Amino acid sequence: AQSVSQHNHHVILSEAASLELGCNYSYGGTVNLFWYVQYPGQHLQLLLKYFSGDPLVKGIKGFEAEFIKSKFSFNLRKPSVQWSDTAEYFCAVGGTGGYNKLIFGAGTRLAVHP
Amino acid sequence: DGGITQSPKYLFRKEGQNVTLSCEQNLNHDAMYWYRQDPGQGLRLIYYSQIVNDFQKGDIAEGYSVSREKKESFPLTVTSAQKNPTAFYLCASSIGQETQYFGPGTRLLVL
Repeated sequence: AQSVSQHNHHVILSEAASLELGCNYSYGGTVNLFWYVQYPGQHLQLLLKYFSGDPLVKGIKGFEAEFIKSKFSFNLRKPSVQWSDTAEYFCAVGGTGGYNKLIFGAGTRLAVHP
Repeated sequence: DGGITQSPKYLFRKEGQNVTLSCEQNLNHDAMYWYRQDPGQGLRLIYYSQIVNDFQKGDIAEGYSVSREKKESFPLTVTSAQKNPTAFYLCASSIGQETQYFGPGTRLLVL
C-alpha cells in the first residue's frame, strides 16, 4: 500500500538549534517528493520539491531535503531554526506517470522557543 | 492576484443538512482537488478533477459529492450521509502533476 510516514508528530526546539524531520514512504515506481508547510493561520504552501536530478534540494527560508532512494526517505533539514519556523510540516509523495494523487504524511508540529 | 479562494471560512451544518463549500481558482490550472485535514492524520484526498466535466473519487469520497462545470470552479457538497463531517477542508489546484497550490480552507462544524 502507498503510504508516507513522518516519525515525529511534535518537535520542540530552541532558536538556533538544528532541525531534521524524518519522512519515509512506500510507493511503487518513481516518485515526486514534496515538503509543504502550514504556518499558523496561513495557507499550506510548498517548502521544496524533488522531481529528478540532484537528490539534495534546497527550498525557501534555508530549508533543504535529501532524497535517499535506497532508504525511501526524504528528510527535511535546517541548520539553525528561528521562532518564525513554528509551523506544521507535511511530507507528500506522488507518482510520475499519468495522474497520480499525492499521499500526505500525518504532519509534524514544530514549536521553536525564543 | 492569482490564487485559490475558498468560502466560507467557517460553515455550520445541522443534522441531516447538505452544505456546499466553494473553491475558485484563477491560475488557469486544469486539475483541482479536495482534501480533508484532521488533527494527526494529515491530508486525505476526497475527490479530484483533471479536466472540466470529469472527476474521480479519492480515498474518502463517501458522503461527499462534487461537480466541475467550469475550469475555475470545483465545489464540494458535504451530504447528510457523511457522519463525521467536522474537519478542515482544503482545495488545491495544479497543472498536471506539478506543485499543488492550496486555498485558505473552510472549517466545517456540526451544530
